[in-house]
Amino acid sequence: RKEVEQDPGPFNVPEGATVAFNCTYSNSASQSFFWYRQDCRKEPKLLMSVYSSGNEDGRFTAQLNRASQYISLLIRDSKLSDSATYLCVVNNRNTGNQFYFGTGTSLTVIP
Amino acid sequence: NAGVTQTPKFQVLKTGQSMTLQCAQDMNHEYMSWYRQDPGMGLRLIHYSVGAGITDQGEVPNGYNVSRSTTEDFPLRLLSAAPSQTSVYFCASSWFGEETQYFGPGTRLLVL
Repeated sequence: RKEVEQDPGPFNVPEGATVAFNCTYSNSASQSFFWYRQDCRKEPKLLMSVYSSGNEDGRFTAQLNRASQYISLLIRDSKLSDSATYLCVVNNRNTGNQFYFGTGTSLTVIP
Repeated sequence: NAGVTQTPKFQVLKTGQSMTLQCAQDMNHEYMSWYRQDPGMGLRLIHYSVGAGITDQGEVPNGYNVSRSTTEDFPLRLLSAAPSQTSVYFCASSWFGEETQYFGPGTRLLVL
């Protein structure tokens, strides 16, 4: 079973739409959770960390449900520049600080 | 401050050849790691290091060696390249326990 599972999409949404991505993780001992963004043929970059209380950064909201082992990312008022692949990432410091990446969800925002 | 640098950007090898992918960081990070990214597979951890002189295996270590003689450098060696090692390789670094991993720009490797 994969450590992190995501719906690969693609999600094609019009500008201004709200879109949500979900991911599940298998290891209940996972300690830290993140969303990374990866543009085509570029390196991944941290978008935001995910906290149990939920957190928001502008148009982006991330939530964590430890009981269901589920992480979500909500993007409001989508912009063309949001087009990218979004990677769900979990970390377990008990296993040498290893980060486990989902396969990514592709988003294209259409004019 | 260059961040994480990787060389080369592109490489074509023949089966059986060996090569070293270079990774360097100038942020004094203790933690460095190598990933490979393949279509439909996501990033998979090859090897990682929590400090100079310390390395450990990740999820897919076979066919690769690493060493960490300095804090700054973490080279990845392909001992005898195989077509299955065709991939995009990313090096990353962070402070141990730090949430943010900083990635290099990647090396695209094609093994014929």
